[in-house]
Amino acid sequence: NAGVTQTPKFQVLKTGQSMTLQCAQDMNHEYMSWYRQDPGMGLRLIHYSVGAGITDQGEVPNGYNVSRSTTEDFPLRLLSAAPSQTSVYFCASSYGSAGRSPLHFGNGTRLTVT
Amino acid sequence: GQQLNQSPQSMFIQEGEDVSMNCTSSSIFNTWLWYKQDPGEGPVLLIALYKAGELTSNGRLTAQFGITRKDSFLNISASIPSDVGIYFCAGRSPKNTGTASKLTFGTGTRLQVTL
Repeated sequence: NAGVTQTPKFQVLKTGQSMTLQCAQDMNHEYMSWYRQDPGMGLRLIHYSVGAGITDQGEVPNGYNVSRSTTEDFPLRLLSAAPSQTSVYFCASSYGSAGRSPLHFGNGTRLTVT
Repeated sequence: GQQLNQSPQSMFIQEGEDVSMNCTSSSIFNTWLWYKQDPGEGPVLLIALYKAGELTSNGRLTAQFGITRKDSFLNISASIPSDVGIYFCAGRSPKNTGTASKLTFGTGTRLQVTL
């Protein structure tokens, strides 16, 4: 039972570098989302997708891109990393909408931008 | 955006004690969820509440959906060391309906249990 798998677990970037955080789920969930977790801020929604080919912005989308070419995968791209993007990133999926069906979270990617 | 305030921010308790924490919002929600996050892992759903006044238990955990729809409470009875972690509340606003319903998360309550 893999659930939601995130890679890598840890990453250090220099300012201006780009990278992609990977997220895959094997539960055939339609809804997938990315959150960032910062001390004292809780979890904030970056982008979400209600199905393959459909994405939308969350609360803090600036500096991030997403795409959803398959039901299983929902990568998060940082185009030009900034120190303010130092955070722990969580991918989450659910069968239905985020409020009605339980969100299943991955174990996170800890990103440091220097 | 909407804010969810959790209280307390952190607490140290002794094993066997009962724990209470709450979450308040400036606007009404129609769903309240409580998650627990263990160190190095993602949050895991503990309890879901869908109606004002609803009281739901999951083992030693009990959560309530406040009558005003602006708050929720989580109680843990007879705490044990594995209760250590961060507890998050999350809510869904009536304005966020349909297939793209989004959750707003609280800032978390960090619980530490001493023997």
